[in-house]
Amino acid sequence: NAGVTQTPKFQVLKTGQSMTLQCAQDMNHNSMYWYRQDPGMGLRLIYYSASEGTTDKGEVPNGYNVSRLNKREFSLRLESAAPSQTSVYFCASRPGQQETQYFGPGTRLLVL
Amino acid sequence: GENVEQHPSTLSVQEGDSAVIKCTYSDSASNYFPWYKQELGKRPQLIIDIRSNVGEKKDQRIAVTLNKTAKHFSLHITETQPEDSAVYFCAASPTGTASKLTFGTGTRLQVTL
Repeated sequence: NAGVTQTPKFQVLKTGQSMTLQCAQDMNHNSMYWYRQDPGMGLRLIYYSASEGTTDKGEVPNGYNVSRLNKREFSLRLESAAPSQTSVYFCASRPGQQETQYFGPGTRLLVL
Repeated sequence: GENVEQHPSTLSVQEGDSAVIKCTYSDSASNYFPWYKQELGKRPQLIIDIRSNVGEKKDQRIAVTLNKTAKHFSLHITETQPEDSAVYFCAASPTGTASKLTFGTGTRLQVTL
């Protein structure tokens, strides 16, 4: 039982490049979330998926897209990376009957 | 939307002393309040949570109190140890299908010997 996994762990991009951050969970959780963490700003919700087949915007969705591929996987795509998207990205998942969110190990992204 | 404020941003205590971190929230619909601990370079991990039908909850050296009328909740750590050094985040959310969490900006706790 690996919990929540994320790939890659670290990525460097040039401005304008695109990439997809991958997240998977093996806990049969219904809801999945993407956050970004910046110094002094806590964790901010980018997008979430309350259940398979649905996605919704969070607090800071601009510049991102998401796909809930199936119940296990929830990917985050940057179509044209900008330096302002330099951050640590965390994926999280939540069982249907509980409020607790479980976080993945994070992806550190640097956009030059 | 929900707004969560957290204070202080940094806190230094001596080993064995108590530490208190305070948060306020704005949305009266929020009824779930977790606290996460994040060690350097690691993922946030839940340490304790409280729901609005409870005023206080304890787990060994950690306790959380909630005042729904005043819209604030606090984390109390007693008998602090060096391994308590980390960044602590409070959060709030309404329960429901999505249960979106709004986080505070974090408190860096340093426990000195």
